[in-house]
Amino acid sequence: ILNVEQSPQSLHVQEGDSTNFTCSFPSSNFYALHWYRWETAKSPEALFVMTLNGDEKKKGRISATLNTKEGYSYLYIKGSQPEDSATYLCAFPEYGNKLVFGAGTILRVKS
Amino acid sequence: DVKVTQSSRYLVKRTGEKVFLECVQDMDHENMFWYRQDPGLGLRLIYFSYDVKMKEKGDIPEGYSVSREKKERFSLILESASTNQTSMYLCASSFQTAHTDTQYFGPGTRLTVL
Repeated sequence: ILNVEQSPQSLHVQEGDSTNFTCSFPSSNFYALHWYRWETAKSPEALFVMTLNGDEKKKGRISATLNTKEGYSYLYIKGSQPEDSATYLCAFPEYGNKLVFGAGTILRVKS
Repeated sequence: DVKVTQSSRYLVKRTGEKVFLECVQDMDHENMFWYRQDPGLGLRLIYFSYDVKMKEKGDIPEGYSVSREKKERFSLILESASTNQTSMYLCASSFQTAHTDTQYFGPGTRLTVL
């Protein structure tokens, strides 16, 4: 089973703070890297699918970067808001569409 | 919008009972997945299916079976529930099998086995 690691495990920030967290994955046989956001009592939803080394994707205040050579991706949230509170998951395709998920980073934003 | 629904949000069963968790997707997706989520462990794949009547074991299939008689429906079966199967169960679907295909998730079923 592939090893996909996320850090930190949890993060508590104040409203307005910017924050970032990491996903580490195997650097060999890279195909894609997925980011999902899972809010409490809701379904996990896709944020980004990243495929190219050096790729940067953005969705509102959330952005992600990708380094396939060293096997990591960063997720950044600028000016965190309480509605950003969620578990952020990254996932690495083992083969086809079979995803291996990291354990997630739990973000809590205090107002 | 893709919609993935699961039959129950919360379920309480007794040890030894047979448990059925149902998942339905409405977007004609080929692939469907069952995961469980436990604190500190992330989502772990139990079974998945690339087509009707086809199934493949995921990383933790022991104690579970699945059924996919129709394209839109994927059922997870606990033949004899045990307390270590208390968990959050998530169903997902995706259109194709490309590495970049997004998976769409249901809201989850929180199962407690007493």
